[in-house]
Amino acid sequence: QKEVEQDPGPLSVPEGAIVSLNCTYSNSAFQYFMWYRQYSRKGPELLMYTYSSGNKEDGRFTAQVDKSSKYISLFIRDSQPSDSATYLCATETGGGNKLTFGTGTQLKVEL
Amino acid sequence: EAQVTQNPRYLITVTGKKLTVTCSQNMNHEYMSWYRQDPGLGLRQIYYSMNVEVTDKGDVPEGYKVSRKEKRNFPLILESPSPNQTSLYFCASSYKSWAYEQYFGPGTRLTVT
Repeated sequence: QKEVEQDPGPLSVPEGAIVSLNCTYSNSAFQYFMWYRQYSRKGPELLMYTYSSGNKEDGRFTAQVDKSSKYISLFIRDSQPSDSATYLCATETGGGNKLTFGTGTQLKVEL
Repeated sequence: EAQVTQNPRYLITVTGKKLTVTCSQNMNHEYMSWYRQDPGLGLRQIYYSMNVEVTDKGDVPEGYKVSRKEKRNFPLILESPSPNQTSLYFCASSYKSWAYEQYFGPGTRLTVT
């Protein structure tokens, strides 16, 4: 079993839709939870990160962590074609040394 | 402009021919790391470095070497490349040991025939 599981998609939604992207993880020691966005032929870029459980909002993006169920979510409101990318969830134990990534979910927002 | 640069961006080579992929960052970051990205497997860490002369293995270090003699540079060395090292490679850096806030380079696509 992989430490971080993520549905690869692809996920196709119409412009303006609310998008929900999800990951599950197995290691209860994970403390930091990140979402990276990767456009085609580019390196990943950090969207946002959260520490422990709870929600964090940044513009149209909301990250949610439920440590009791080991579940990570990213919500995108009013999705735009420019949001079309692969979204990678990642976790880190707090020691600061190592990230464990999910395989990524490919999102396409259509006009 | 703050950035991580990698060279070359594309490389086709043959089995056994030693190669080096360079990585450089201009943000004065202590932490640097190498990943490979493969379909269905995602990003996997190869090696990381907490600071100059301090390196450690990630999840898939076999067949790779690294060195960190200067803060800004973290080259990845394949002494004897094999076809199973055909992959997309990313270098990343972050401030101190805040691995969660990593800045990634543009990637190097390596093909070993």
